[in-house]
Amino acid sequence: EPEVTQTPSHQVTQMGQEVILRCVPISNHLYFYWYRQILGQKVEFLVSFYNNEISEKSEIFDDQFSVERPDGSNFTLKIRSTKLEDSAMYFCASSVGQAVSQPQHFGDGTRLSIL
Amino acid sequence: GENVEQHPSTLSVQEGDSAVIKCTYSDSASNYFPWYKQELGKRPQLIIDIRSNVGEKKDQRIAVTLNKTAKHFSLHITETQPEDSAVYFCAAPKGDDYKLSFGAGTTVTVRA
Repeated sequence: EPEVTQTPSHQVTQMGQEVILRCVPISNHLYFYWYRQILGQKVEFLVSFYNNEISEKSEIFDDQFSVERPDGSNFTLKIRSTKLEDSAMYFCASSVGQAVSQPQHFGDGTRLSIL
Repeated sequence: GENVEQHPSTLSVQEGDSAVIKCTYSDSASNYFPWYKQELGKRPQLIIDIRSNVGEKKDQRIAVTLNKTAKHFSLHITETQPEDSAVYFCAAPKGDDYKLSFGAGTTVTVRA
């Protein structure tokens, strides 16, 4: 069964540094998402991406965050200047269609630790 | 956005008993309701979902029921086994949104 893959599995970064999290969505999926989960809390939506542009973003997704699909397979999340509170598990997800009716499949996540 | 409330936050059951988790949502336009299971340190995994044109859906020991009038949906796990121990999240999209809003999660512990 095809899966969403994410790299790296764990990223340790100094506060103020830039970090890029990478995802390869399922190949025939058209909608891509980033979610965040702070330890012990619920999964929170960050951003969705369709047709090479952001379709929706949450209040968490401020100017420090950006997403990109640099080629036909990768989908990246960049945090420009990391803060301690950015420490969390970041999940990439993808779906064939919109959230309203199509299941989203999650990757294994990247654990981001900001020191 | 969609407001999803989930109860209980923790649930401990004896192996073989049933577990029920309930969620309520706020947007009457929502019409797709997935449930995710998350084992410690792993990805949320879709285990079952339901669309608003049906009231119940079953998959082996797992079932989901939906009451659109009351705006709530429930996950039922029968004949629980130790491997059912995990955190379960309900979710719902708002209208035709691109995102899922998740409940706070229920930590299910199945006692052997």
